[in-house]
Amino acid sequence: AQSVTQPDIHITVSEGASLELRCNYSYGATPYLFWYVQSPGQGLQLLLKYFSGDTLVQGIKGFEAEFKRSQSSFNLRKPSVHWSDAAEYFCAVGAVGGSYIPTFGRGTSLIVHP
Amino acid sequence: NAGVTQTPKFRILKIGQSMTLQCTQDMNHNYMYWYRQDPGMGLKLIYYSVGAGITDKGEVPNGYNVSRSTTEDFPLRLELAAPSQTSVYFCASSSGLAGGPGDADTQYFGPGTRLTVL
Repeated sequence: AQSVTQPDIHITVSEGASLELRCNYSYGATPYLFWYVQSPGQGLQLLLKYFSGDTLVQGIKGFEAEFKRSQSSFNLRKPSVHWSDAAEYFCAVGAVGGSYIPTFGRGTSLIVHP
Repeated sequence: NAGVTQTPKFRILKIGQSMTLQCTQDMNHNYMYWYRQDPGMGLKLIYYSVGAGITDKGEVPNGYNVSRSTTEDFPLRLELAAPSQTSVYFCASSSGLAGGPGDADTQYFGPGTRLTVL
């Protein structure tokens, strides 16, 4: 069965600092990988996704993520955080060519200090 | 194109009452999902549907029922509400296209329904 681990429940950064949110997955074949963002009181919005090809994926709002098969990781990065990036971030893994039921991690809450 | 819409946005129920959470999508998506979100617990899948007339249980289906009579609508029914069902409920949809990557598995979420059972 597929699973996702987000080891950090909360991350606090200063505005302008760089950010890395960790995501590790468990899946027997090539996965689909996603990062979603949830602003307070809102639904989830897709930031970026990896299906195949280039392992460095660019997303919206200046975010990127790198798929590392050897480490079973898909970490989210941003070089300079803005106060508006404060939100909950979810990593998810889906199956290739089969079930379309993604599995979500428990989320990482990003706090941005001015 | 409104995407995924959910009603109501907020609701307070008494123990034992019933209600239906409405979800509609206008993207002609095959797959639809219901999740609940509790603090620090991420998203738990309640039910999902792969097309009109087809539904299946997710991780936490007890106390809920669903139906999918049309492609657009996927209502979630709570029978005999209990305090444990206090949560935020999200409906989502995806194209579920077989074969290529495309937008397969990318989910589009509604704004959520915040439900309190007292």
